[in-house]
Amino acid sequence: SQQGEEDPQALSIQEGENATMNCSYKTSINNLQWYRQNSGRGLVHLILIRSNEREKHSGRLRVTLDTSKKSSSLLITASRAADTASYFCATAQRTGYSTLTFGKGTMLLVSP
Amino acid sequence: EPEVTQTPSHQVTQMGQEVILRCVPISNHLYFYWYRQILGQKVEFLVSFYNNEISEKSEIFDDQFSVERPDGSNFTLKIRSTKLEDSAMYFCASSPGLQLINEQFFGPGTRLTVL
Repeated sequence: SQQGEEDPQALSIQEGENATMNCSYKTSINNLQWYRQNSGRGLVHLILIRSNEREKHSGRLRVTLDTSKKSSSLLITASRAADTASYFCATAQRTGYSTLTFGKGTMLLVSP
Repeated sequence: EPEVTQTPSHQVTQMGQEVILRCVPISNHLYFYWYRQILGQKVEFLVSFYNNEISEKSEIFDDQFSVERPDGSNFTLKIRSTKLEDSAMYFCASSPGLQLINEQFFGPGTRLTVL
């Protein structure tokens, strides 16, 4: 099954605008995490939301989780050119140790 | 701030050759992982390692792959006989363990090119 499918695949916005990316998954999860990847670089952990949480904030990031719809969204407010990157959601099925299942990612381009 | 490091950053090899990718996880972490990302595709789990043994592995992690923690700091991924389709970015990750939720910290990756 395809776990962690993001949409849109690509998003192009102007600096100052908000960017919203969505992620859907198929199996039950313990938590969902969002990562950022600058071109050709490593994965940077952004935020983790537990299955019993509905919303979480970190700076300009806002993540929501709807377990009934098996979906999550990542909102970046007041975007900057430096936010240009690919964004991936990753799900963890179990508590404690659990491998991550990644989606294909959304490529965000923020133009000055 | 502690971070996961990986060497080399880029490895070019001939098909059929053996390669060893090296990782130094964060020092007090207990769980270690390898993932890979073929160009333009999603990040895929390969293997996890805990208490000096493999905890879980994916279908990708066949007999050509092996992992080792040869000392207290390094965590290596060996590909015995590389194929063209092994060309990918390989990420090492580690997580603390002993917690209900374990955030995984990723290294910068090793780009493997098999010619």
